[in-house]
Amino acid sequence: NAGVTQTPKFRILKIGQSMTLQCTQDMNHNYMYWYRQDPGMGLKLIYYSVGAGITDKGEVPNGYNVSRSTTEDFPLRLELAAPSQTSVYFCASSYEAGGRSNYGYTFGSGTRLTVV
Amino acid sequence: RKEVEQDPGPFNVPEGATVAFNCTYSNSASQSFFWYRQDCRKEPKLLMSVYSSGNEDGRFTAQLNRASQYISLLIRDSKLSDSATYLCAVNRAMDSNYQLIWGAGTKLIIKP
Repeated sequence: NAGVTQTPKFRILKIGQSMTLQCTQDMNHNYMYWYRQDPGMGLKLIYYSVGAGITDKGEVPNGYNVSRSTTEDFPLRLELAAPSQTSVYFCASSYEAGGRSNYGYTFGSGTRLTVV
Repeated sequence: RKEVEQDPGPFNVPEGATVAFNCTYSNSASQSFFWYRQDCRKEPKLLMSVYSSGNEDGRFTAQLNRASQYISLLIRDSKLSDSATYLCAVNRAMDSNYQLIWGAGTKLIIKP
């Protein structure tokens, strides 16, 4: 059982470049999330989705876009990369919204992104 | 004030000792609470949910204090392998859904 799979694991981007972080889950979860984690900071929600075709902004959506064409996939798009987007990005999924069950969230292994 | 706050540590604890840390939250309407463990350069992994009556899983005990709005994690007979950062997460309503709000984590170092 793969759980949540993220690719790539590492990436270096130049300022102004674009890229897509991939996220796939095989647990048939409706709810999916993208977070960024900066050193010494908590996880910050970028975007989330409550099901295929439905996405919404989180706390820090500027500079990012998402789509959810299937239940399994929730890619995160970075347009015009900036040094402030240097971070570790985690994708997560859950059975119920926002921890309303005791199962919490399942996370992917993360993508370490550096923008230079 | 942050919505979910944790002492960043690090807590340096000798192997075999008992250690406890707290996580305070500001939203009194929060209903779900979790402790996650995050190893260096890895993803957070669910350690345990926190139930209203408190709950125990082996050497780990989690408790909820609604009146003072904090959750706690107690680790007994600590092992070297317990060294990690412990994140707390608390849910709250956001737009028409619920989200987990995360603390920045408490770093625990178990020394031989």
